[in-house]
Amino acid sequence: GENVEQHPSTLSVQEGDSAVIKCTYSDSASNYFPWYKQELGKRPQLIIDIRSNVGEKKDQRIAVTLNKTAKHFSLHITETQPEDSAVYFCAATGYGGSQGNLIFGKGTKLSVKP
Amino acid sequence: NAGVTQTPKFQVLKTGQSMTLQCAQDMNHNSMYWYRQDPGMGLRLIYYSASEGTTDKGEVPNGYNVSRLNKREFSLRLESAAPSQTSVYFCASSVNFSKEEKLFFGSGTQLSVL
Repeated sequence: GENVEQHPSTLSVQEGDSAVIKCTYSDSASNYFPWYKQELGKRPQLIIDIRSNVGEKKDQRIAVTLNKTAKHFSLHITETQPEDSAVYFCAATGYGGSQGNLIFGKGTKLSVKP
Repeated sequence: NAGVTQTPKFQVLKTGQSMTLQCAQDMNHNSMYWYRQDPGMGLRLIYYSASEGTTDKGEVPNGYNVSRLNKREFSLRLESAAPSQTSVYFCASSVNFSKEEKLFFGSGTQLSVL
């Protein structure tokens, strides 16, 4: 079944710097890769997603890149702001067995220092 | 629209007690899900319901049962709670079960089993 590894588990940056979070997946059949942001005590919310027929997608300060050959995808946040502080989860579609739909990484806690 | 509503928000149980977590969505979504979130473990799928009248096991179904009561409601039952079930539980929904759908999460239930 699908396995999603996410690194780093914690990331601290200065306001205005860029942040990069990386994920790898194991199932070459996976074709959908969303990123969720979870602020402290809140629910996870989708911030960006990418499908396998696209190599990169941008939405203002957020971008996601996908390398299907290497089976890894990354979240890039530019010009970080304190409100970007949160836990970020990557996910990939899981197939087979009893895994249901999305398999999530273990999360990255991003801290943006003013 | 309230989106996805979960009750209760907090619950403390003793080992062996039973309880049902309630979830309702008002977005006319076909698919609903239950996840658990543990520190350092990300979000793991317990059960899902691709459409009204169907339920399937996810990654970690042991110790749980679910009921898709109607299109709006999807409940999670712990028949005999164990300390290992101490976690934050999130209900989620999506328009369809296509594995490429945005998940809308509820606000979560923090459950402690003593």
